[in-house]
Amino acid sequence: EAQVTQNPRYLITVTGKKLTVTCSQNMNHEYMSWYRQDPGLGLRQIYYSMNVEVTDKGDVPEGYKVSRKEKRNFPLILESPSPNQTSLYFCASSFVLGHEQYFGPGTRLTVT
Amino acid sequence: EDQVTQSPEALRLQEGESSSLNCSYTVSGLRGLFWYRQDPGKGPEFLFTLYSAGEEKEKERLKATLTKKESFLHITAPKPEDSATYLCAVQAALSNAGKSTFGDGTTLTVKP
Repeated sequence: EAQVTQNPRYLITVTGKKLTVTCSQNMNHEYMSWYRQDPGLGLRQIYYSMNVEVTDKGDVPEGYKVSRKEKRNFPLILESPSPNQTSLYFCASSFVLGHEQYFGPGTRLTVT
Repeated sequence: EDQVTQSPEALRLQEGESSSLNCSYTVSGLRGLFWYRQDPGKGPEFLFTLYSAGEEKEKERLKATLTKKESFLHITAPKPEDSATYLCAVQAALSNAGKSTFGDGTTLTVKP
C-alpha cells in the first residue's frame, strides 16, 4: 500500500532532551516536507527536500534539523526541544514539486 | 512573501444546501494551487490541483475553479459526510520554489 509513515505517533518529552521523528515513504517520491499544525496558525512548513541531499528551509525552521540521505526517509530532529515546539507534526511527500502531496498520519508532540 | 487567505473560517450548512469556499492567494508565479480535505486528528487528503486561470476540476459533489487571484471550492448538495476542514495551498514557480504555503482552512459542518 502506498503510504507515508511517521514514528512515533505520540510523544511526551522534557525540555532539552534530543528527539527524532522519523518519516518514510514507499512511493519513490522526490519531494518531501515537514509541517507543524497549531490551532489558529494552520499548517506551516518547517523544511522541505526536493531530492536526496537537497534540503531547504520553510517558514518556521528555527529549532529543527533535517537530513535526506536516502530518497525514502526524511527524519525531523529536535536537538533541544522547548515547550513552544509542542504541536502536531505532519510529514508529506509528492512525486515531484508541483504535484499533490501525500501526508502521513501525524505525530503529536508535547514538550514539558 | 506568498500568502493564502481562506474564507469563511467556518461554514454551517443544511444537507442539500449548496455553497462555496473561497481561497485568495498572492504568489510569485503560480506553480500549482491545491485543495485538501482534513478530518479531525488526521493528515490532509488531496482533492484537486489547479495550474492555470480558467481551469476547473470536479469530483462528486465538489468543483474547484481558479482565477488569477482566487480559487473557489463549490459544494453542491452537500451531505453530512462532507463535514471536514478544507485547506487551500499554493506552490510558487519563481522565488521560493519548493515552498508550500497553506491557508488556515474552512471548517465545514453539514447538518442532516
